[in-house]
Amino acid sequence: QQQVKQSPQSLIVQKGGISIINCAYENTAFDYFPWYQQFPGKGPALLIAIRPDVSEKKEGRFTISFNKSAKQFSLHIMDSQPGDSATYFCAASKSFQAGTALIFGKGTTLSVSS
Amino acid sequence: SAVISQKPSRDICQRGTSLTIQCQVDSQVTMMFWYRQQPGQSLTLIATANQGSEATYESGFVIDKFPISRPNLTFSTLTVSNMSPEDSSIYLCSGGQTNTEAFFGQGTRLTVV
Repeated sequence: QQQVKQSPQSLIVQKGGISIINCAYENTAFDYFPWYQQFPGKGPALLIAIRPDVSEKKEGRFTISFNKSAKQFSLHIMDSQPGDSATYFCAASKSFQAGTALIFGKGTTLSVSS
Repeated sequence: SAVISQKPSRDICQRGTSLTIQCQVDSQVTMMFWYRQQPGQSLTLIATANQGSEATYESGFVIDKFPISRPNLTFSTLTVSNMSPEDSSIYLCSGGQTNTEAFFGQGTRLTVV
């Protein structure tokens, strides 16, 4: 049973455009929703995360939008740059603490054309 | 955050053999985990590596297939035993303190032929 569903599987965006990746979850006990960025040959790196007590969190060009009633959250990358080309994973867990297992989506491969 | 180093970074192994992956953190961490990232799939937690005691395995993963050691707060190993081509994956070590978010190593890309 896939608890976190991520779409699209791949995304091509022109430089300067907006990249949008969507995720949906099933378990209402989830309390922490991070996004990870992974470059080829590297491990996932935490990009931005949100708790369900807020509907939006912005850090630079990256914004998470969260809809608790719909059990959906999304990552928006504004002014997308070629350096943003990577695989992005959404995840969910019952706590932000490192001792709590993360449930990952299948990932989205983003290509930003220059 | 601390830096996690994994060895080897990649390997090609014959079926039926075993491979031990090492995970070294540059500072003491409370929690260490092992994940598997299969081709085109999401990351899946294999187990939590507990210092001084047996690892805690997730459903679908067993100690005989994936024995784990954690002798101290900075080091852990994962062994993939009696490998088959289905074990071809990226294996990732993750760590963190109890009250912080987890971070990942660069992964070990395993190909079983």
